[in-house]
Amino acid sequence: DIQMTQSPPSLSASLGDKVTITCQASQNINKYIAWYQQKPGKAPRQLIRYTSTLVSGTPSRFSGSGSGRDYSFSISNVESEDIASYYCLQYDNLPTFGGGTKLELK
Amino acid sequence: EVKLVESGGGLVQPGRSLKLSCAASGFSFNDYWMGWVRQAPGKGLEWIGEINQDSSTINYTPSLKDKFTISRDNAQNTLYLQMSKLGSEDTAIYYCARGRYLYWGQGVMVTVSS
Repeated sequence: DIQMTQSPPSLSASLGDKVTITCQASQNINKYIAWYQQKPGKAPRQLIRYTSTLVSGTPSRFSGSGSGRDYSFSISNVESEDIASYYCLQYDNLPTFGGGTKLELK
Repeated sequence: EVKLVESGGGLVQPGRSLKLSCAASGFSFNDYWMGWVRQAPGKGLEWIGEINQDSSTINYTPSLKDKFTISRDNAQNTLYLQMSKLGSEDTAIYYCARGRYLYWGQGVMVTVSS
C-alpha cells in the first residue's frame, strides 16, 4: 500500500500569512491527491481534488500543486476560519491519508 | 442535497461485534462507490475500505481486512460496516463517505470498553 508522509505535523501562523503543507507519497500517485480541512467535532471537508482542482465553495486562497510523489497545499492570507487540521488523501491506489497538520494561530 | 447518516454506534465490550449503517439520500445511491473512514480520539484519519456500485469489488486496508466487512443494500440506499473481534484500538468515530470522498456523514462514535 502507498504511504503518505505529511509535514509538518503542526504549524503556527499569523493572520495574513501564507502557509504550505506537503505530502510525499511512497510511489508515483499520478496527481490523485485530495486535501481536506477538519475542524473539531466536524467531518472532514474536501477542499481540493486531483492535486489542484478546487471543490465548489473552496475559497481561492487555497491552492494545491505537485506531481509524481511530491505534492503541496497552500493557504495564502490565512484567515481565522482556516484554523483547523488538514489532511492529504491519495486515491491512485487503495486510499491512504497523510498523518495530518494542525494549523494554529501564532 | 446529498445526505449520509451513520447509526449503530455505542459502547461495546472487547471481543464483541457491531454493525454500523449509513443511510444515504439526495443522490442515486447505486451509481456510486461508497467507503468508510475512521478517526480514533485525537488521531488522524484512517481509511477502512470501500465498495463498488454492485458489490462486486470491495477493498480494505490490509490491517482490517480480517475484522471488518463492508456491504450495501441498494434497494434500501444503505451502506454497512460489520465489525468483529473489537478491541480498544477500534474506539473511534466512524464516517461513511461517497465516491471519491467528497461527501461525508457526520460520523458515529464506537467505544470499545468493558
